[in-house]
Amino acid sequence: GQNIDQPTEMTATEGAIVQINCTYQTSGFNGLFWYQQHAGEAPTFLSYNVLDGLEEKGRFSSFLSRSKGYSYLLLKELQMKDSASYLCAFSDSNYQLIWGAGTKLIIKP
Amino acid sequence: GAVVSQHPSRVICKSGTSVKIECRSLDFQATTMFWYRQFPKKSLMLMATSNEGSKATYEQGVEKDKFLINHASLTLSTLTVTSAHPEDSSFYICSAATGEVGAFFGQGTRLTVV
Repeated sequence: GQNIDQPTEMTATEGAIVQINCTYQTSGFNGLFWYQQHAGEAPTFLSYNVLDGLEEKGRFSSFLSRSKGYSYLLLKELQMKDSASYLCAFSDSNYQLIWGAGTKLIIKP
Repeated sequence: GAVVSQHPSRVICKSGTSVKIECRSLDFQATTMFWYRQFPKKSLMLMATSNEGSKATYEQGVEKDKFLINHASLTLSTLTVTSAHPEDSSFYICSAATGEVGAFFGQGTRLTVV
């Protein structure tokens, strides 16, 4: 079967670093995505990993280990505007996106 | 990145009426568009996959006669919620696929049925 899991909620301090983990199980895999979603808005694309390793993009980095079915999103130098839900999703063998429930990130001053 | 435009962003309608939501890919041709529904604090739920020129493929449990999807061109897909009821109130999001890399989302439509 297929499943994907991420923590429901996390809290971090402005200026700090936070890592949001995502684990998944699937027989067919075509990449792992991270999206940011602010309340009442559609998700926006953050990153895409299809090979193992770390992809860095400014303050955000995403890591993938296909053998472990594991990814994380790393946010550095946290800002208040980073308060949002972060959704991980993998693309299965039919290129359909399978979504996690999202991690609500709360940033405190 | 690719731009997907979804309208309206918010709509309030009376119970029993129908509502049409449009999803347009503005700078690319989308052979496939996806329609999602999202309940508060829940994950995106895929409702149907829309392929240009053919019938949409609905996920299990989604009523195809209630949620009419039309993908008449490579840049436009519409979702019509027919005979809307309060339980249909939700956030509806479309996305368009460009090849295999991810999906680009419309702004979403907040539907409230009163």
